[in-house]
Amino acid sequence: DTGVSQDPRHKITKRGQNVTFRCDPISEHNRLYWYRQTLGQGPEFLTYFQNEAQLEKSRLLSDRFSAERPKGSFSTLEIQRTEQGDSAMYLCASSPLLDGQPQHFGDGTRLSIL
Amino acid sequence: GENVEQHPSTLSVQEGDSAVIKCTYSDSASNYFPWYKQELGKRPQLIIDIRSNVGEKKDQRIAVTLNKTAKHFSLHITETQPEDSAVYFCAATLNTNAGKSTFGDGTTLTVKP
Repeated sequence: DTGVSQDPRHKITKRGQNVTFRCDPISEHNRLYWYRQTLGQGPEFLTYFQNEAQLEKSRLLSDRFSAERPKGSFSTLEIQRTEQGDSAMYLCASSPLLDGQPQHFGDGTRLSIL
Repeated sequence: GENVEQHPSTLSVQEGDSAVIKCTYSDSASNYFPWYKQELGKRPQLIIDIRSNVGEKKDQRIAVTLNKTAKHFSLHITETQPEDSAVYFCAATLNTNAGKSTFGDGTTLTVKP
């Protein structure tokens, strides 16, 4: 399968713990996006990478959230000191650098905070 | 920033009928509009997209129309089948903004056999 893969699929943790998610985009895609989706809502943009450079972060992303894409391939999203409100599906998507191309999504990581 | 509104939030149709979902956007500079289908517990999957230089696009039973002046676009599904039941999301994308998409809140489509 050469699609976008995310790991883990599910994460249950206690409030206050740190969590890290991984995304492996489609190999030839330069652009990588992180979104958050809660029940009954569309995906909300969190951050964007072009190759290894993080070019944009949403104001939704508090300083407890950090994302990296060190070699321009896979990306990680870390949430420190998790809170109840962080419970959501975290989706990763990738697309080619060419404008007007669709984003391809992974299956997401569902985070549940106890 | 861009704001996308999607209607209706739920839609129920009989098998074989047509379904229409409408979205409006706020930023006239948005120029790429994808539609995604998301089944329960699965990833959003692109079903059709349209660029701002085109008014209509069709792919078998699915079509999308775009009215740039009014800043709205619509998804049309004809001859609906039970397997069309899912949540559908529209999105508006400003390609000069790194291709970042703003999504609507989704429409839950139920096709009754």
